[in-house]
Amino acid sequence: QKEVEQNSGPLSVPEGAIASLNCTYSDRGSQSFFWYRQYSGKSPELIMSIYSNGDKEDGRFTAQLNKASQYVSLLIRDSQPSDSATYLCAVNPETSMNTGFQKLVFGTGTRLLVSP
Amino acid sequence: DGGITQSPKYLFRKEGQNVTLSCEQNLNHDAMYWYRQDPGQGLRLIYYSQIVNDFQKGDIAEGYSVSREKKESFPLTVTSAQKNPTAFYLCASSADRTANEKLFFGSGTQLSVL
Repeated sequence: QKEVEQNSGPLSVPEGAIASLNCTYSDRGSQSFFWYRQYSGKSPELIMSIYSNGDKEDGRFTAQLNKASQYVSLLIRDSQPSDSATYLCAVNPETSMNTGFQKLVFGTGTRLLVSP
Repeated sequence: DGGITQSPKYLFRKEGQNVTLSCEQNLNHDAMYWYRQDPGQGLRLIYYSQIVNDFQKGDIAEGYSVSREKKESFPLTVTSAQKNPTAFYLCASSADRTANEKLFFGSGTQLSVL
Protein backbone atom coordinates (compact mmCIF):
# COMPACT_ATOMS: atom_id res chain seq x y z
CA GLN A 1 0.00 0.00 0.00
CA LYS A 2 1.37 3.40 -0.96
CA GLU A 3 1.84 5.83 1.91
CA VAL A 4 -0.06 8.63 0.18
CA GLU A 5 -2.56 7.79 -2.54
CA GLN A 6 -4.24 10.03 -5.08
CA ASN A 7 -6.25 9.34 -8.19
CA SER A 8 -4.02 10.35 -11.10
CA GLY A 9 -6.94 11.69 -13.13
CA PRO A 10 -7.36 13.67 -15.21
CA LEU A 11 -10.27 15.20 -13.36
CA SER A 12 -12.21 17.30 -15.84
CA VAL A 13 -14.58 20.03 -14.67
CA PRO A 14 -16.22 22.93 -16.50
CA GLU A 15 -15.31 26.48 -15.66
CA GLY A 16 -17.20 27.73 -12.62
CA ALA A 17 -17.76 24.26 -11.14
CA ILE A 18 -16.38 22.85 -7.90
CA ALA A 19 -13.36 20.57 -8.26
CA SER A 20 -12.91 17.97 -5.53
CA LEU A 21 -9.50 16.37 -5.09
CA ASN A 22 -8.96 13.53 -2.65
CA CYS A 23 -6.02 11.95 -0.90
CA THR A 24 -5.67 9.07 1.54
CA TYR A 25 -2.67 8.28 3.71
CA SER A 26 -1.51 5.23 5.60
CA ASP A 27 0.36 6.62 8.63
CA ARG A 28 -2.32 7.14 11.26
CA GLY A 29 0.04 9.25 13.37
CA SER A 30 0.54 11.90 10.68
CA GLN A 31 -0.09 15.41 11.95
CA SER A 32 0.46 17.85 9.11
CA PHE A 33 -0.92 17.84 5.59
CA PHE A 34 -0.24 19.98 2.55
CA TRP A 35 -1.64 20.58 -0.91
CA TYR A 36 0.77 21.77 -3.60
CA ARG A 37 -0.11 22.90 -7.12
CA GLN A 38 2.34 22.10 -9.89
CA TYR A 39 2.10 23.39 -13.43
CA SER A 40 3.76 21.32 -16.13
CA GLY A 41 7.53 21.71 -16.04
CA LYS A 42 7.40 23.97 -13.00
CA SER A 43 8.07 23.49 -9.31
CA PRO A 44 5.33 22.82 -6.74
CA GLU A 45 3.81 25.77 -4.89
CA LEU A 46 1.97 25.49 -1.60
CA ILE A 47 -1.80 26.02 -1.82
CA MET A 48 -3.02 24.93 1.58
CA SER A 49 -1.82 23.39 4.81
CA ILE A 50 -4.04 21.78 7.42
CA TYR A 51 -3.28 20.29 10.80
CA SER A 52 -6.62 19.78 12.58
CA ASN A 53 -9.74 17.82 11.73
CA GLY A 54 -12.34 19.81 9.87
CA ASP A 55 -12.30 22.44 7.16
CA LYS A 56 -9.88 25.25 6.43
CA GLU A 57 -10.84 27.88 3.89
CA ASP A 58 -8.62 30.27 1.97
CA GLY A 59 -10.32 32.15 -0.84
CA ARG A 60 -11.63 29.67 -3.39
CA PHE A 61 -9.79 26.79 -1.74
CA THR A 62 -11.00 24.62 1.12
CA ALA A 63 -8.95 21.84 2.66
CA GLN A 64 -10.76 19.13 4.59
CA LEU A 65 -9.11 16.71 7.00
CA ASN A 66 -10.54 13.58 8.57
CA LYS A 67 -7.88 11.83 10.63
CA ALA A 68 -10.16 8.99 11.69
CA SER A 69 -10.73 8.05 8.05
CA GLN A 70 -7.21 9.06 7.06
CA TYR A 71 -8.15 11.27 4.20
CA VAL A 72 -7.59 14.86 3.22
CA SER A 73 -9.32 16.66 0.39
CA LEU A 74 -9.07 19.92 -1.49
CA LEU A 75 -12.10 21.72 -2.88
CA ILE A 76 -11.69 24.43 -5.51
CA ARG A 77 -14.77 26.59 -5.93
CA ASP A 78 -15.52 28.55 -9.10
CA SER A 79 -12.83 26.61 -10.98
CA GLN A 80 -10.92 28.59 -13.60
CA PRO A 81 -8.90 27.36 -16.59
CA SER A 82 -5.83 28.73 -14.80
CA ASP A 83 -6.45 26.13 -12.07
CA SER A 84 -5.56 23.41 -14.59
CA ALA A 85 -2.51 21.76 -13.07
CA THR A 86 -1.40 18.74 -11.09
CA TYR A 87 -2.26 18.86 -7.40
CA LEU A 88 0.08 17.07 -5.04
CA CYS A 89 -0.96 15.88 -1.61
CA ALA A 90 1.88 15.73 0.91
CA VAL A 91 1.88 14.28 4.40
CA ASN A 92 4.35 14.56 7.24
CA PRO A 93 4.34 11.05 8.75
CA GLU A 94 4.74 10.42 12.45
CA THR A 95 8.20 8.95 11.90
CA SER A 96 9.33 12.19 10.33
CA MET A 97 7.99 14.26 13.18
CA ASN A 98 9.96 12.22 15.66
CA THR A 99 13.20 13.14 13.89
CA GLY A 100 12.26 16.79 13.72
CA PHE A 101 12.71 16.90 9.95
CA GLN A 102 10.21 17.94 7.36
CA LYS A 103 10.34 14.61 5.50
CA LEU A 104 7.20 14.98 3.51
CA VAL A 105 5.75 12.00 1.67
CA PHE A 106 4.12 13.02 -1.60
CA GLY A 107 1.33 11.42 -3.54
CA THR A 108 1.64 11.01 -7.30
CA GLY A 109 -0.70 13.93 -7.90
CA THR A 110 -4.09 14.44 -9.52
CA ARG A 111 -4.21 16.24 -12.85
CA LEU A 112 -7.05 18.76 -12.99
CA LEU A 113 -8.40 20.08 -16.29
CA VAL A 114 -10.80 23.03 -16.22
CA SER A 115 -12.50 23.63 -19.53
CA PRO A 116 -13.74 27.10 -20.56
CA ASP B 1 13.97 39.04 -3.81
CA GLY B 2 14.37 36.03 -1.54
CA GLY B 3 14.16 32.60 -3.01
CA ILE B 4 15.83 29.41 -4.13
CA THR B 5 17.87 29.37 -7.31
CA GLN B 6 18.59 26.15 -9.14
CA SER B 7 20.90 25.87 -12.09
CA PRO B 8 21.12 24.85 -14.79
CA LYS B 9 17.50 24.56 -15.92
CA TYR B 10 18.43 21.73 -18.31
CA LEU B 11 21.39 19.39 -18.01
CA PHE B 12 22.60 16.53 -20.14
CA ARG B 13 24.79 13.73 -18.85
CA LYS B 14 26.99 11.44 -20.86
CA GLU B 15 27.56 7.82 -19.94
CA GLY B 16 29.92 7.46 -16.97
CA GLN B 17 29.94 11.18 -16.22
CA ASN B 18 29.32 12.87 -12.90
CA VAL B 19 27.25 16.04 -13.00
CA THR B 20 26.50 18.60 -10.30
CA LEU B 21 23.24 20.47 -9.84
CA SER B 22 23.43 23.79 -8.06
CA CYS B 23 21.03 25.01 -5.38
CA GLU B 24 21.40 28.38 -3.65
CA GLN B 25 18.96 30.05 -1.24
CA ASN B 26 18.94 33.52 0.29
CA LEU B 27 16.04 32.86 2.65
CA ASN B 28 18.35 32.20 5.61
CA HIS B 29 16.74 28.78 5.93
CA ASP B 30 18.44 26.09 7.99
CA ALA B 31 17.02 23.00 6.32
CA MET B 32 17.54 22.10 2.67
CA TYR B 33 16.32 19.15 0.65
CA TRP B 34 16.75 17.46 -2.71
CA TYR B 35 13.84 15.67 -4.36
CA ARG B 36 13.59 13.70 -7.57
CA GLN B 37 10.40 13.64 -9.64
CA ASP B 38 9.71 11.08 -12.36
CA PRO B 39 6.69 11.24 -14.67
CA GLY B 40 3.62 9.84 -12.97
CA GLN B 41 5.39 9.54 -9.62
CA GLY B 42 5.44 11.66 -6.55
CA LEU B 43 8.47 13.52 -5.29
CA ARG B 44 11.03 11.26 -3.67
CA LEU B 45 13.57 12.50 -1.13
CA ILE B 46 17.22 12.06 -2.06
CA TYR B 47 19.14 13.93 0.66
CA TYR B 48 18.42 16.53 3.30
CA SER B 49 20.47 18.78 5.53
CA GLN B 50 19.67 20.58 8.73
CA ILE B 51 22.89 22.52 9.27
CA VAL B 52 26.21 23.24 7.66
CA ASN B 53 28.48 20.19 7.30
CA ASP B 54 25.67 17.82 8.17
CA PHE B 55 23.36 15.91 5.83
CA GLN B 56 21.31 12.74 5.86
CA LYS B 57 20.29 10.18 3.25
CA GLY B 58 16.71 10.20 2.11
CA ASP B 59 14.79 7.35 0.56
CA ILE B 60 16.73 7.11 -2.71
CA ALA B 61 20.28 8.31 -1.96
CA GLU B 62 22.16 5.63 -3.90
CA GLY B 63 24.13 7.12 -6.79
CA TYR B 64 23.95 10.66 -5.41
CA SER B 65 26.15 12.78 -3.17
CA VAL B 66 25.77 16.20 -1.55
CA SER B 67 27.72 18.75 0.43
CA ARG B 68 26.70 21.58 2.75
CA GLU B 69 29.74 23.78 3.19
CA LYS B 70 27.68 26.97 3.41
CA LYS B 71 24.22 27.58 4.80
CA GLU B 72 23.10 29.04 1.48
CA SER B 73 24.30 26.24 -0.77
CA PHE B 74 23.38 22.56 -1.12
CA PRO B 75 24.73 21.12 -4.41
CA LEU B 76 23.75 17.66 -5.59
CA THR B 77 26.12 15.45 -7.59
CA VAL B 78 24.62 12.72 -9.73
CA THR B 79 27.35 10.13 -10.03
CA SER B 80 27.94 7.52 -12.70
CA ALA B 81 26.62 4.96 -10.21
CA GLN B 82 23.12 6.36 -10.73
CA LYS B 83 22.01 4.23 -13.67
CA ASN B 84 18.69 5.96 -14.31
CA PRO B 85 19.32 9.64 -13.68
CA THR B 86 16.79 11.10 -16.11
CA ALA B 87 14.32 13.04 -13.95
CA PHE B 88 13.24 16.47 -12.75
CA TYR B 89 15.28 17.48 -9.70
CA LEU B 90 13.88 19.86 -7.14
CA CYS B 91 15.72 21.62 -4.35
CA ALA B 92 13.73 22.88 -1.38
CA SER B 93 14.29 24.64 1.90
CA SER B 94 12.40 25.32 5.10
CA ALA B 95 12.98 27.75 7.93
CA ASP B 96 13.40 25.12 10.59
CA ARG B 97 12.81 21.51 11.36
CA THR B 98 9.32 21.74 12.75
CA ALA B 99 6.81 19.48 11.10
CA ASN B 100 4.45 22.32 10.23
CA GLU B 101 6.98 24.44 8.40
CA LYS B 102 6.26 24.64 4.70
CA LEU B 103 8.77 23.85 1.98
CA PHE B 104 9.89 26.43 -0.56
CA PHE B 105 10.94 24.94 -3.89
CA GLY B 106 13.41 26.04 -6.51
CA SER B 107 12.46 26.06 -10.18
CA GLY B 108 13.99 22.66 -10.83
CA THR B 109 16.60 21.09 -13.10
CA GLN B 110 15.65 18.63 -15.82
CA LEU B 111 18.44 16.09 -16.20
CA SER B 112 18.60 13.88 -19.26
CA VAL B 113 21.04 11.23 -20.44
CA LEU B 114 22.67 11.59 -23.86
